[in-house]
Amino acid sequence: DTGVSQDPRHKITKRGQNVTFRCDPISEHNRLYWYRQTLGQGPEFLTYFQNEAQLEKSRLLSDRFSAERPKGSFSTLEIQRTEQGDSAMYLCAGGTDVSDEQYFGPGTRLTVT
Amino acid sequence: AQRVTQPEKLLSVFKGAPVELKCNYSYSGSPELFWYVQYSRQRLQLLLRHISRESIKGFTADLNKGETSFHLKKPFAQEEDSAMYYCALRRFGASGSRLTFGEGTQLTVNP
Repeated sequence: DTGVSQDPRHKITKRGQNVTFRCDPISEHNRLYWYRQTLGQGPEFLTYFQNEAQLEKSRLLSDRFSAERPKGSFSTLEIQRTEQGDSAMYLCAGGTDVSDEQYFGPGTRLTVT
Repeated sequence: AQRVTQPEKLLSVFKGAPVELKCNYSYSGSPELFWYVQYSRQRLQLLLRHISRESIKGFTADLNKGETSFHLKKPFAQEEDSAMYYCALRRFGASGSRLTFGEGTQLTVNP
């Protein structure tokens, strides 16, 4: 167990609806990453936080996607006006400056119908 | 641009046989390479990284900059090695930066 939890584990939504996912790393994780994984593919980077600052965003993160980490602890990823192409596993990973490793959570599986 | 290619989506070997999971990369700068593993119903976890030069669970991987490869090897496969394996790359010395993953290889070790 990496100590990184994600909620919910599964989400089914209808096209056009908004969804929000939450990631809770352990308190030592000053770094936080979001990745997206579609079927048959490896994880793809979405965004990276150092404490509360969002330092890097992928071009995959369209304007329908927004991520926050307001107090440098938990993070949320919101998708507005969901599309069927958003169906994927959304992975969160925590890390520290010391260990330099990314510790992955169990993921949130999103299905857009 | 960074790119990681794992040419085999599926690999099946018998217990005790050698196994090699291939990984090739393209990157204009100096890369740092990793292997991640995901066992059934478990989360993605780091298996090994090229800078540590460790052997983890009998697996080794050598970075070959000339061939731009980072193949994962084990001389005698075990049934518990059955899992999904991902090769990943990031910019060397940029510990906070993104990982770029390959598509993964599903390894099955048959009894």
